[in-house]
Amino acid sequence: AQSVTQLGSHVSVSEGALVLLRCNYSSSVPPYLFWYVQYPNQGLQLLLKYTTGATLVKGINGFEAEFKKSETSFHLTKPSAHMSDAAEYFCAVSDPFTGTASKLTFGTGTRLQVTL
Amino acid sequence: AAGVIQSPRHLIKEKRETATLKCYPIPRHDTVYWYQQGPGQDPQFLISFYEKMQSDKGSIPDRFSAQQFSDYHSELNMSSLELGDSALYFCASSPSPPTSGYQETQYFGPGTRLLVL
Repeated sequence: AQSVTQLGSHVSVSEGALVLLRCNYSSSVPPYLFWYVQYPNQGLQLLLKYTTGATLVKGINGFEAEFKKSETSFHLTKPSAHMSDAAEYFCAVSDPFTGTASKLTFGTGTRLQVTL
Repeated sequence: AAGVIQSPRHLIKEKRETATLKCYPIPRHDTVYWYQQGPGQDPQFLISFYEKMQSDKGSIPDRFSAQQFSDYHSELNMSSLELGDSALYFCASSPSPPTSGYQETQYFGPGTRLLVL
């Protein structure tokens, strides 16, 4: 079974500071990895994903994540936080080899707070 | 670009009532997934459909049923509602897996917020 662990349920950074949200996965096969963002009272928006190929993935809103197989990690970063980045961030994993509809398994989420 | 449409957006029901949630996938997406997100929790997979057939099943109560119709929209039917069913219900859609069989990205709708009183 696949699983995702997000370290830190709450992260607070100052505006302009580096954002680092941690995600570690457990999977018997190389998984597909995703970061989704959820703003208050809204749905889940895909930030970025890793499938195959380049391990550094760039997403929307200046976010990026690096797949590190040796560390089983897929941490999300952004060089400079903006007030509008305040939201809940979910790391998710899926099995890429099912051939049909493969479920996403989510981490417990990290709430990012951005302060002035 | 067209997105996943869910209706209704908000729903209030009494205990033991029934509810039907609808999901309209992105055009040309034939795979639909349902997730439940309780207050302060991560989304939990309920069930998925591919080409109108159930593809995978997660932690969906027996009181719930779902189906996908010929136009690929899906409905989640919930009976004998309980207080604990109060949650945000997401639908997601993805296009057909390519011939390689690799999983495609899921795109989420805005969710239906169900409140059971």
